[in-house]
Amino acid sequence: GQQVMQIPQYQHVQEGEDFTTYCNSSTTLSNIQWYKQRPGGHPVFLIQLVKSGEVKKQKRLTFQFGEAKKNSSLHITATQTTDVGTYFCAGLSAGGTSYGKLTFGQGTILTVHP
Amino acid sequence: EAQVTQNPRYLITVTGKKLTVTCSQNMNHEYMSWYRQDPGLGLRQIYYSMNVEVTDKGDVPEGYKVSRKEKRNFPLILESPSPNQTSLYFCASSPRQGTYSNQPQHFGDGTRLSIL
Repeated sequence: GQQVMQIPQYQHVQEGEDFTTYCNSSTTLSNIQWYKQRPGGHPVFLIQLVKSGEVKKQKRLTFQFGEAKKNSSLHITATQTTDVGTYFCAGLSAGGTSYGKLTFGQGTILTVHP
Repeated sequence: EAQVTQNPRYLITVTGKKLTVTCSQNMNHEYMSWYRQDPGLGLRQIYYSMNVEVTDKGDVPEGYKVSRKEKRNFPLILESPSPNQTSLYFCASSPRQGTYSNQPQHFGDGTRLSIL
């Protein structure tokens, strides 16, 4: 079945440093979503990428979808303590009969030291 | 207020004692899903439902049952809970889901289950 690998599992940064997390799928994706989960909270939707090579920005966050639609990345510029949390990607497989089956990556836990 | 409501939020129970975790959404969403979250494993989909009376297995369906008799409710049933089902469970909903209509999911606050 479809697998989505996310790296790194943990990332510790000093406030002001940049941060990147990567997702790689074993199959071509129809689209990919990114979520953020604050400590003790539930995942909250950040963005969805649909097109091959798509790049979207939200303030200091930049999201990319690979040309082959099998990988994606989230980059945070100049991290702040409010960026702390776990970042997940979630991919929907292209084609097939499992139209509703979303596969999440393992998540990257980001800690930011002030 | 648009929301996904799970109950209970916390439960400690014993092996073999049937339990149900309820999930209700007030957004008229077609798609609902259950996930379990375990350290190092991320979110794994248990079951999902594309609409009323339509349910499908996710990645880890063993030991769980679901039903979707009404659009707003999607209960998760553990007929004979075992310790390896100790986990944090999330219910989520979205307007629709599919190859051409993947839409953001709204998550409930989670249910922490401990099976002794």
